[in-house]
Amino acid sequence: AQKITQTQPGMFVQEKEAVTLDCTYDTSDPSYGLFWYKQPSSGEMIFLIYQGSYDQQNATEGRYSLNFQKARKSANLVISASQLGDSAMYFCAMREGTDSWGKLQFGAGTQVVVTP
Amino acid sequence: EAGVAQSPRYKIIEKRQSVAFWCNPISGHATLYWYQQILGQGPKLLIQFQNNGVVDDSQLPKDRFSAERLKGVDSTLKIQPAKLEDSAVYLCASSSGTVQPQHFGDGTRLSIL
Repeated sequence: AQKITQTQPGMFVQEKEAVTLDCTYDTSDPSYGLFWYKQPSSGEMIFLIYQGSYDQQNATEGRYSLNFQKARKSANLVISASQLGDSAMYFCAMREGTDSWGKLQFGAGTQVVVTP
Repeated sequence: EAGVAQSPRYKIIEKRQSVAFWCNPISGHATLYWYQQILGQGPKLLIQFQNNGVVDDSQLPKDRFSAERLKGVDSTLKIQPAKLEDSAVYLCASSSGTVQPQHFGDGTRLSIL
């Protein structure tokens, strides 16, 4: 069964606007971590932000914030004030606590194109 | 600090040939991962090392894929013989611990003709 679902295959957003990328997850483990990665066309995966299942507050890192709704099992990424350099694939990933070795399970990704 | 280094950046081979990829993780990172990313999909874990021991290779096609991490530092992933469906980007990642974020290399883009 798919553990991470990203329902938006692609999005266009205008420069300086905010964009929300959806991510829902499926786990019965009470302890888990959620990650967002950015993958530009050059191919490298860049770590953006992390949210632990027990964290009381939503994670923020600069222009990135994570809208964590535990009851709904969603972990949406919000990018504020989009820049042209934000154009990339964005992947949501989960690490389950019972997996003591930290394996990440990735969603299919959302392609973001920022337009001038 | 230097990032995860991978080589080659691109590789084109014919089916049934063999190929090898190399990865040097961030200095001091004990955990090393190899992922396969097929076009249009998210990365899928192939194998994970903790120091020089394998801790997860459940999704590695062991009839054709092999990997080693001698001395617990750099690692090599090999495919022999390659099939058309092996066309993908092979990503190496490392982390300082299993609960820490993984840092990825630029990947090797493999095309099978």
